[in-house]
Amino acid sequence: EVQLVESGGGLIQPGGSLRLSCAASGFTVSSNYMSWVRQAPGRGLEWVSAIYSGGTTSYADSVKGRFTISRDNSINTLYLQMNSLRAEDTAVYYCARNAASAPLNPDYWGQGTLVTVSS
Amino acid sequence: QLVVTQSPSASASLGASVKLTCTLSSGHIYYAIAWHQQQPEKGPRFLMKINSDGTHSKGDGIPDRFSGSSSGAERYLTISSLQSEDEADYYCQTWDTGGVFGGGTKLTVL
Repeated sequence: EVQLVESGGGLIQPGGSLRLSCAASGFTVSSNYMSWVRQAPGRGLEWVSAIYSGGTTSYADSVKGRFTISRDNSINTLYLQMNSLRAEDTAVYYCARNAASAPLNPDYWGQGTLVTVSS
Repeated sequence: QLVVTQSPSASASLGASVKLTCTLSSGHIYYAIAWHQQQPEKGPRFLMKINSDGTHSKGDGIPDRFSGSSSGAERYLTISSLQSEDEADYYCQTWDTGGVFGGGTKLTVL
């Protein structure tokens, strides 16, 4: 059974940093395309970042240069390092596995972790 | 610019059918899309991917009541025999160099 469990969210001041983790089970992170998607309070879904099986990464313009996606193959875990956080980064962050046939199409989602950027 | 457009809301009666529409921007009418369901206070769930020719592939455990189709720039999600648990937000998504989500359709089951 595929499972994704996010952690690492919390309250952080503007300008601060936070690292989100996504522990995966039931499949191998390094063999799949993976994404982070976020949802601001009361808003819709926004794609944030993806990492491909070969290690290539991509980012939304809104986070480029501030966020870094990575993975630790030894513990089957995906990460999102978030620096220079802004109030507009406040959201629930979801980890997702992407379909083999469509690298940016999530086919399994985690339950999300809330990040609140506020002073 | 790659954009997907959805109506903000839809409603239908318990036991009836409803068809939700996702419209691709001009120049992108051959793109595949995915539908995701988000029930209140829950994370999203992948429903299906729909190709431009109307063929579709569902996520694990998605009931037969959910089906997909395509016509031109439009991609559809049809839900038949509506149940109370189908009341949710439905997001259309496509992709190019990055992922692109529509604004979502809030479905109310009357």
